[in-house]
Amino acid sequence: GENVEQHPSTLSVQEGDSAVIKCTYSDSASNYFPWYKQELGKRPQLIIDIRSNVGEKKDQRIAVTLNKTAKHFSLHITETQPEDSAVYFCAAGGYSTLTFGKGTMLLVSP
Amino acid sequence: GAVVSQHPSRVICKSGTSVKIECRSLDFQATTMFWYRQFPKQSLMLMATSNEGSKATYEQGVEKDKFLINHASLTLSTLTVTSAHPEDSSFYICSASRDRVDGYTFGSGTRLTVV
Repeated sequence: GENVEQHPSTLSVQEGDSAVIKCTYSDSASNYFPWYKQELGKRPQLIIDIRSNVGEKKDQRIAVTLNKTAKHFSLHITETQPEDSAVYFCAAGGYSTLTFGKGTMLLVSP
Repeated sequence: GAVVSQHPSRVICKSGTSVKIECRSLDFQATTMFWYRQFPKQSLMLMATSNEGSKATYEQGVEKDKFLINHASLTLSTLTVTSAHPEDSSFYICSASRDRVDGYTFGSGTRLTVV
């Protein structure tokens, strides 16, 4: 089955700095790579996703890159704000299943 | 957009009782729904995949007799935790996919506390 590794487990940045979270996956058949933001006690919210036929996707301050050859993908958040503080999960899979990374707790200090 | 509703949001039950959690897709038909369990400060662990009209597929280590899943319609899947024990206390979240384009939408989760 799929195995997803996510790093770092915690990340502290100053407001305005950039934050990068990296994930690797093991199953070359995976073709869908979403990123979720989860605040304490709430449901994961999809913030951006990328499919295997695309190498990069950007949505305002958030971008995701995918390297299928190396089997890794990354989340980039620019101009971080305190409200970006949350736990972020990467996931890899397809239409029938999704495997999550262990999460990254991002703390943005004012 | 796709909306998934999950009820109840919180439930406290006594050891030995059963608890049913509902997951509904409100504005789309979901042939497949997924049930996850999340312990504090941990990731989401897939428990089972629920397919409408057929038996659920359980992940390794998940007791199918303890976590009963029913997907009776294209908009409703239920998870019943039978004979609950304190170690079953956790955050349970369902998700569903409308189609192969939109990806997965999560329910709001259910915080189960067994006392």
